Amino acid sequence: DADVTQTPRNRITKTGKRIMLECSQTKGHDRMYWYRQDPGLGLRLIYYSFDVKDINKGEISDGYSVSRQAQAKFSLSLESAIPNQTALYFCATSDPPGTGELFFGEGSRLTVL
Amino acid sequence: TQLLEQSPQFLSIQEGENLTVYCNSSSVFSSLQWYRQEPGEGPVLLVTVVTGGEVKKLKRLTFQFGDARKDSSLHITAAQPGDTGLYLCAGAKGAQKLVFGQGTRLTINP
Repeated sequence: DADVTQTPRNRITKTGKRIMLECSQTKGHDRMYWYRQDPGLGLRLIYYSFDVKDINKGEISDGYSVSRQAQAKFSLSLESAIPNQTALYFCATSDPPGTGELFFGEGSRLTVL
Repeated sequence: TQLLEQSPQFLSIQEGENLTVYCNSSSVFSSLQWYRQEPGEGPVLLVTVVTGGEVKKLKRLTFQFGDARKDSSLHITAAQPGDTGLYLCAGAKGAQKLVFGQGTRLTINP
């Protein structure tokens, strides 16, 4: 089983719908992240959380919200999806103080029509 | 504006050739990481470089961090089809938040 699990892996939805992407991890890491990947733009940070009571905006947080339900669970919500939110979304974890290595899930591909 | 610029963005070469991928910035980073991503999977860390001028080798892959800690390169010797993938550099600027380059999509043809 993967250490970082994302659900769903693929989702097609319509403009205006509310979508939640879920992430769970078995690595025991305190830090969790949500990234968005678009062709030619690399990975961009949406939100991150350094512990259960900590939530921080990344560089592209507009239109997104998150919830850290437990150390192992971090979900990303799109309250009202729009087509330019079509992308590949990755959850990641890291364990300080270490080298800062990120451990990624397999990704959730979201298509907004 | 991309904080980290990777070049080239696409590279297709024959098996056995050598190649270099560059990761450049005007900013100083405390460390720089290289990841490789294969289709349907998340990125996986290859190496972290921390000291200016540092060189690390991973089999046929050689990673170098610039003296000023603003740039890095990845050199692959005698490329093989298994090296095919998306290579991403990522710079750390404190608080362990990483900034990613746009990626280099590498294809090695048999």
